[in-house]
Amino acid sequence: SAVISQKPSRDICQRGTSLTIQCQVDSQVTMMFWYRQQPGQSLTLIATANQGSEATYESGFVIDKFPISRPNLTFSTLTVSNMSPEDSSIYLCSVRGGPTGETQYFGPGTRLLVL
Amino acid sequence: AQTVTQSQPEMSVQEAETVTLSCTYDTSENNYYLFWYKQPPSRQMILVIRQEAYKQQNATENRFSVNFQKAAKSFSLKISDSQLGDTAMYFCAFMKGMAGGATNKLIFGTGTLLAVQP
Repeated sequence: SAVISQKPSRDICQRGTSLTIQCQVDSQVTMMFWYRQQPGQSLTLIATANQGSEATYESGFVIDKFPISRPNLTFSTLTVSNMSPEDSSIYLCSVRGGPTGETQYFGPGTRLLVL
Repeated sequence: AQTVTQSQPEMSVQEAETVTLSCTYDTSENNYYLFWYKQPPSRQMILVIRQEAYKQQNATENRFSVNFQKAAKSFSLKISDSQLGDTAMYFCAFMKGMAGGATNKLIFGTGTLLAVQP
């Protein structure tokens, strides 16, 4: 399985500001995924990031609010822009691996609290 | 659209005993994968076990095993000899087979919070 790291592990931010979350993988991967987990909820996919192309966003998520960069095959960033308390969540980076690339592995998450 | 249902929001088990977590799903696909993930208080999502739909044999990983009933669209997780470290939120998840496209999404259930009591 891939080893995934995220920075920061947690942060407390003021509303109206932006936070960029970094995700680093120890191997080259085609796709990287960003998820949000709101308090007490399950995981929701925000977007899929392919290297060299625009990220694909899920319904309810837009690029202006969650811009994503994917400069190479081992790294991605997710920015949470113009934050409000409703953005308080855990944000998780994920990649696929396994025998046929069907298993998703997750980073440790970034716990964000917006005041 | 595929859905995953976990009908047990919370469960409790005594240490060393066995517990079964339920999961049902709805799909018209024939080729897919099923997963159980564990999320302890650290919030790290950890893969517990995976099952390919085309395999009749139930997957096992040490103390963890599944009861995969394809016709019934049921995928329960059995934890044997429960340990305190098994205390976590458990999520059941579904994904269409890769032949359907590399961008197939992983669809999660709402989770079951398992507490292992000493």
